[in-house]
Amino acid sequence: QLQLQESGPGLVKPSETLSLTCTVSGGSINNDNYYWTWIRQPPGKGLEWIGSIYYNGRTYYNPSLESRVIIFADTSKNQFSLKLSSVTAADTAVYFCARRGSSYEFYWGQGTLVTVSS
Amino acid sequence: QSALTQPASVSGSPGQSITISCTGTSSDVGSYNLVSWYQQHPGRAPKLIIYEVNKRPSGVANRFSGSKSGNTASLTISGLQAEDEADYYCCAYVGTFYVFGSGTTVTVL
Repeated sequence: QLQLQESGPGLVKPSETLSLTCTVSGGSINNDNYYWTWIRQPPGKGLEWIGSIYYNGRTYYNPSLESRVIIFADTSKNQFSLKLSSVTAADTAVYFCARRGSSYEFYWGQGTLVTVSS
Repeated sequence: QSALTQPASVSGSPGQSITISCTGTSSDVGSYNLVSWYQQHPGRAPKLIIYEVNKRPSGVANRFSGSKSGNTASLTISGLQAEDEADYYCCAYVGTFYVFGSGTTVTVL
């Protein structure tokens, strides 16, 4: 059964770079059926798609975040990662990694809270 | 790209039917039959309940159904149950990215 687990620091200082990793088990990320995705949810607010990476390394980013986001994968570890630079308090959120399937649907990890504060 | 518009809250009594709307534009909801719906209980990850406008994943109760007309998608919960009390989000594919709805809190009275 597919499982996605986010990991990374829960606290990041303003202006620094947020870094998270998603470890995938129960399936390979080197699979042309899926896009590996990051989505976030500020406390008490709605969901925001951050970006996705395809098995061939091609990436797609939310235009509103594109200048600050990098998503990359390590197929040897079956992981993909998110880097978000120059963070502010507005980037405080629960960050979910997810798998986007062939029907454009998302299957989610449990999420991890990242707080931006000095 | 703005969030899709959903009502902030919808309520109903057990056994009743409720409908949640998700209104976008001809560039998102209206362009593709690639609208999905997610249920989120407090403190939990969202769970897929509808994909491709009206398809249910295996294991999702058949009281959940989806539809679309023009730039508005809808989720209907028939025979409302206590466990359906949660937040619901629509999501639309927009070419190369995705936009979510603003979210609707369903309360079972």
